[in-house]
Amino acid sequence: GESVGLHLPTLSVQEGDNSIINCAYSNSASDYFIWYKQESGKGPQFIIDIRSNMDKRQGQRVTVLLNKTVKHLSLQIAATQPGDSAVYFCAEKVGNKLVFGAGTILRVKS
Amino acid sequence: DTEVTQTPKHLVMGMTNKKSLKCEQHMGHRAMYWYKQKAKKPPELMFVYSYEKLSINESVPSRFSPECPNSSLLNLHLHALQPEDSALYLCASSQGFGRLDEKLFFGSGTQLSVL
Repeated sequence: GESVGLHLPTLSVQEGDNSIINCAYSNSASDYFIWYKQESGKGPQFIIDIRSNMDKRQGQRVTVLLNKTVKHLSLQIAATQPGDSAVYFCAEKVGNKLVFGAGTILRVKS
Repeated sequence: DTEVTQTPKHLVMGMTNKKSLKCEQHMGHRAMYWYKQKAKKPPELMFVYSYEKLSINESVPSRFSPECPNSSLLNLHLHALQPEDSALYLCASSQGFGRLDEKLFFGSGTQLSVL
């Protein structure tokens, strides 16, 4: 059978609904975070970033929320579209290195 | 130009072959990176070059040899690879290295298969 560790968490949403993708980060000293989108056959694409001295940042159709108390990051996508289907990674700055989280698959149903 | 260009897109090589992956950016960035990504896993850092000097080597085996000929180019020379080295190899660049809010821009990667 397949190993559980090979399966990324998957979020399925209806087109037009809002999506919330969550990420738990590991290092309480991390001071900068980025969300990346990776489509099949492509490299990670920058979506939005946030510094640790902020708890919310908004972009076009996307919002990132940071809760440093529980080391939690979320990405909210408004009015999700089929083109949003991809794997989403959060990444944290640990010292000089950008370290990626495990990733979440977003599937948009039309 | 906001692109990081990687060649080739796909590469199949035997365990005795020598091959090279190439990466180019024309954004004036002074830091360049190699990441390795296995299927269904996040990218993992291999090397960082800052101002054409190697700044980070994440204990990568010597069968992977990076080279930064100038600030726009980054190569990864491959020799005597193993089948478990099959992965997507991603190049990235950033304006600098060591700053807090350094955004990395990625290429599309080279999908490497080692037979």
